[in-house]
Amino acid sequence: DSGVTQTPKHLITATGQRVTLRCSPRSGDLSVYWYQQSLDQGLQFLIQYYNGEERAKGNILERFSAQQFPDLHSELNLSSLELGDSALYFCASSPDGQGFNTEAFFGQGTRLTVV
Amino acid sequence: AQTVTQSQPEMSVQEAETVTLSCTYDTSESNYYLFWYKQPPSRQMILVIRQEAYKQQNATENRFSVNFQKAAKSFSLKISDSQLGDTAMYFCAFMSDFGNEKLTFGTGTRLTIIP
Repeated sequence: DSGVTQTPKHLITATGQRVTLRCSPRSGDLSVYWYQQSLDQGLQFLIQYYNGEERAKGNILERFSAQQFPDLHSELNLSSLELGDSALYFCASSPDGQGFNTEAFFGQGTRLTVV
Repeated sequence: AQTVTQSQPEMSVQEAETVTLSCTYDTSESNYYLFWYKQPPSRQMILVIRQEAYKQQNATENRFSVNFQKAAKSFSLKISDSQLGDTAMYFCAFMSDFGNEKLTFGTGTRLTIIP
């Protein structure tokens, strides 16, 4: 158990809908990262938050957004869903975002299926 | 931008044998971090081993060791005395030493340990 909790584990929804994925980082970790794992794109970095502030953006679509709350949990919002958004979405956390600690701990992921 | 290449999509080896997974990367940075992550069928991403580029000594963790060749930009993973529980996808990943701690992943190698 990595200490990173993601809910829900599985999600099935229709095209055009909106979903929210939730991540609780390890206790004390300030940085949260979101990754998307799909068959055609592999594992891709989406976005990073550090202590409530957006720190880095990767290949995140405009239909997707994220935020990190004062209690450090994070949510990834996916809207106007398309079939191609079906993927495993991982959250990871690490103690800080300044390179002093380089180990990120991953949650078990949320499997999103868009039908 | 950094890229990570894993040229072996699939490998298999007999239990108790030794197997080496290959990884090459491309970067213009002089300091960075390299990782091997394991993703078993449970889909959890598990850190296997990490290497800091400024350290010349190859990292080892029990049965897992790396061969880090900085000039060649090569970072292979050796698994000794392979066990059935080593069956998984293995991802090589790169992290810059600057700013955020996002991981850039390779496409993965599916390793099967044969009883």
